[in-house]
Amino acid sequence: GAVVSQHPSRVICKSGTSVKIECRSLDFQATTMFWYRQFPKQSLMLMATSNEGSKATYEQGVEKDKFLINHASLTLSTLTVTSAHPEDSSFYICSANGPDIQGAAYEQYFGPGTRLTVT
Amino acid sequence: QKEVEQDPGPLSVPEGAIVSLNCTYSNSAFQYFMWYRQYSRKGPELLMYTYSSGNKEDGRFTAQVDKSSKYISLFIRDSQPSDSATYLCAGHSGGYQKVTFGTGTKLQVIP
Repeated sequence: GAVVSQHPSRVICKSGTSVKIECRSLDFQATTMFWYRQFPKQSLMLMATSNEGSKATYEQGVEKDKFLINHASLTLSTLTVTSAHPEDSSFYICSANGPDIQGAAYEQYFGPGTRLTVT
Repeated sequence: QKEVEQDPGPLSVPEGAIVSLNCTYSNSAFQYFMWYRQYSRKGPELLMYTYSSGNKEDGRFTAQVDKSSKYISLFIRDSQPSDSATYLCAGHSGGYQKVTFGTGTKLQVIP
């Protein structure tokens, strides 16, 4: 099946620093990847849609300058949390469209997630 | 009102029981419906997806969609302790629209 990896799996950083999270589709090419955050006991909240070779589309209320997304290739998207603060501590999960469905978002394969803790 | 409503549970059942997980949704444009399983501190795993109304079976799992009542169900037969996880339902209207998730139901299968 389609495999999506994330790195790192967990990271602790100090307030004010930046953190980069990588999302890779290992055995397929993904023109579209998605970034979510998930708070404890809450559902997935879509932050942005990342399209290879173009600017990401952010959901309402998500700060573009704080959460920088770069989709440089068909297998890699990165999320950089800039000037992190304790309230940014969360579980960040990426997903990618499955290899069989071009463009449609419903068959998504998720990465294992990255737990970010900002101290 | 949330677009996808799901009872957060937790739901505890004995091993071997039949589990019924349910969601309701409000967006009439939804055409695709998915169930994801998420283990603690892991990313969600796609279990099943269905198109429009009807049933879909895969091993011990059966997904049902009733668009007339906007009701989505997942049945797990012969539940196992390894089924203990949070189950998320989701809806999607197709094309380039985003997937909308429920809050998830935490299931615990007791040996």
